[in-house]
Amino acid sequence: GAGVSQSPSNKVTEKGKDVELRCDPISGHTALYWYRQSLGQGLEFLIYFQGNSAPDKSGLPSDRFSAERTGGSVSTLTIQRTQQEDSAVYLCASSGRVSSYEQYFGPGTRLTVT
Amino acid sequence: LAKTTQPISMDSYEGQEVNITCSHNNIATNDYITWYQQFPSQGPRFIIQGYKTKVTNEVASLFIPADRKSSTLSLPRVSLSDTAVYYCLVGGGGNQGGKLIFGQGTELSVKP
Repeated sequence: GAGVSQSPSNKVTEKGKDVELRCDPISGHTALYWYRQSLGQGLEFLIYFQGNSAPDKSGLPSDRFSAERTGGSVSTLTIQRTQQEDSAVYLCASSGRVSSYEQYFGPGTRLTVT
Repeated sequence: LAKTTQPISMDSYEGQEVNITCSHNNIATNDYITWYQQFPSQGPRFIIQGYKTKVTNEVASLFIPADRKSSTLSLPRVSLSDTAVYYCLVGGGGNQGGKLIFGQGTELSVKP
């Protein structure tokens, strides 16, 4: 079946601009996670959506970052007033089980802020 | 979160079986053991998950002894394309929210 998809695959933006990254999870998966990974660095948790519960936003690095999930499916991560340190690969993952480590990742969006 | 310890690197040759052991002495009762694979410039890929004894899927086997303080990921007949970093994670069975935190991982190099 279809896996997790993300768009765009690459995004180059100028410092100070806003960007939106999209994630389509696996159909039926109630849990959706956003992570980011900088070059040579580990995985950094950003935000977690589970069903209709309030999202866990504890990993968002600043108030320039926000995310929403509409209809329990598609999610959008928005970064306002981008900075060079925001450059990273942004990864979305979904899971069919609550709080599970069995997660399926999308191919990621490589964001470059110039 | 239970701390995990695994070898930093391993070398193997094509066609061999590779076993990567992970130590997790402080594993909690409701923790699962999960392994991921990651290639450079790609997102992590879920390989296998288990709670106790042995789990096998089309990719790998996971062996967990009775005390659950360690686990071994077994990759049968590796190929060059199995060259990657392998991560062992312990948790995900409670109210931790499923946030993945990767340690250093084991860098597996498969040679012809």
